[in-house]
Amino acid sequence: GAGVSQTPSNKVTEKGKYVELRCDPISGHTALYWYRQSLGQGPEFLIYFQGTGAADDSGLPNDRFFAVRPEGSVSTLKIQRTERGDSAVYLCASSLGGGGAIYEQYFGPGTRLTVT
Amino acid sequence: GQNIDQPTEMTATEGAIVQINCTYQTSGFNGLFWYQQHAGEAPTFLSYNVLDGLEEKGRFSSFLSRSKGYSYLLLKELQMKDSASYLCAVRGSQGNLIFGKGTKLSVKP
Repeated sequence: GAGVSQTPSNKVTEKGKYVELRCDPISGHTALYWYRQSLGQGPEFLIYFQGTGAADDSGLPNDRFFAVRPEGSVSTLKIQRTERGDSAVYLCASSLGGGGAIYEQYFGPGTRLTVT
Repeated sequence: GQNIDQPTEMTATEGAIVQINCTYQTSGFNGLFWYQQHAGEAPTFLSYNVLDGLEEKGRFSSFLSRSKGYSYLLLKELQMKDSASYLCAVRGSQGNLIFGKGTKLSVKP
């Protein structure tokens, strides 16, 4: 596709349930980032993948959050035992590379997660 | 710690010039980025600065002073479609972006 895509666009779940959010980056982009954005705030970094490996997961808030990128393209963010405080827009971004080289990050439209 | 400050809201008139300031205190610095975000949409890249000075890109310019931990985004010839949030972000060593809370700009006719 032309840009970063994310599915679903909206997800409503009950407290305590498990959810998976999917990100399909721009083809050829080796770096993939997950952020989450609460109302009135800037995006908050969660995790960065370079290829298949998580190069930096320091932004994950706790062990209920986990992400994978098994083949170096599509990534899935997984949230266990969801809490109301997890409600936010989850944004995915990809870039040609990461680390020390500077590349523009292209953001997807986000998944709006609402935990009731 | 990481701290990025920018004004919460600004209002300007169509056709005018507006300057959005950003100050930062971060443990690492690998570039400063500006993104535009319309309500309900994803952020889109506007500009970045790695070295001190002014970068011009059409109606948008961005300035950086690393010694002062300061940047600004200058928007010229404002149009109604420029009404959006403007996000200042510092790039960490791994490429992740550390964002400020954003400045909501309202352009009035």
